[in-house]
Amino acid sequence: GAGVSQSPSNKVTEKGKDVELRCDPISGHTALYWYRQSLGQGLEFLIYFQGNSAPDKSGLPSDRFSAERTGGSVSTLTIQRTQQEDSAVYLCASSPHRGQQGNTIYFGEGSWLTVV
Amino acid sequence: DAKTTQPNSMESNEEEPVHLPCNHSTISGTDYIHWYRQLPSQGPEYVIHGLTSNVNNRMASLAIAEDRKSSTLILHRATLRDAAVYYCILTDRFTFGGGTRLMVKP
Repeated sequence: GAGVSQSPSNKVTEKGKDVELRCDPISGHTALYWYRQSLGQGLEFLIYFQGNSAPDKSGLPSDRFSAERTGGSVSTLTIQRTQQEDSAVYLCASSPHRGQQGNTIYFGEGSWLTVV
Repeated sequence: DAKTTQPNSMESNEEEPVHLPCNHSTISGTDYIHWYRQLPSQGPEYVIHGLTSNVNNRMASLAIAEDRKSSTLILHRATLRDAAVYYCILTDRFTFGGGTRLMVKP
């Protein structure tokens, strides 16, 4: 499809395990965002990629969280040694070049992570 | 970062207009004002955006104060499907606040 694609849609993992969440942005979009949303809460910014620039990692909650974006397209969010408080929906979004501030961002359906 | 302030929740009757306010007193001259909404169990979706002038589209209208320190999203006739969390954001970093939870009563 033409939208932002995320996988897996649901993931249950044991505490202490590592997880990888994948995001396929809309083709041609140079900006990519990751957010986290805990149950009943608002969106928490995690990380932002723009083209070949260094990513803005200021929202990552701890060094257990990391993300990469290969070839300026697909992105992977990795959570190491998962904790129960990591349980949340992880949302990915993409937009055309950030410099044009009138651009809108488009969200995927999210990856629901449950740590047991 | 420029921040926005919205009421936590609002209630409306079906078929009536709804005015959702947003304050953004620290907005910069180049910030666009965007509105997104999040239906239950879905990712946020774009509603409308503007810079200085009022904007209309098929979903809603956006009224922007002359000093740009506040804006109002207007749903002209609320339906039950409009029940969602509405986020007002400024495009410095697409930083989302808590949004306004809109409840629509039949």
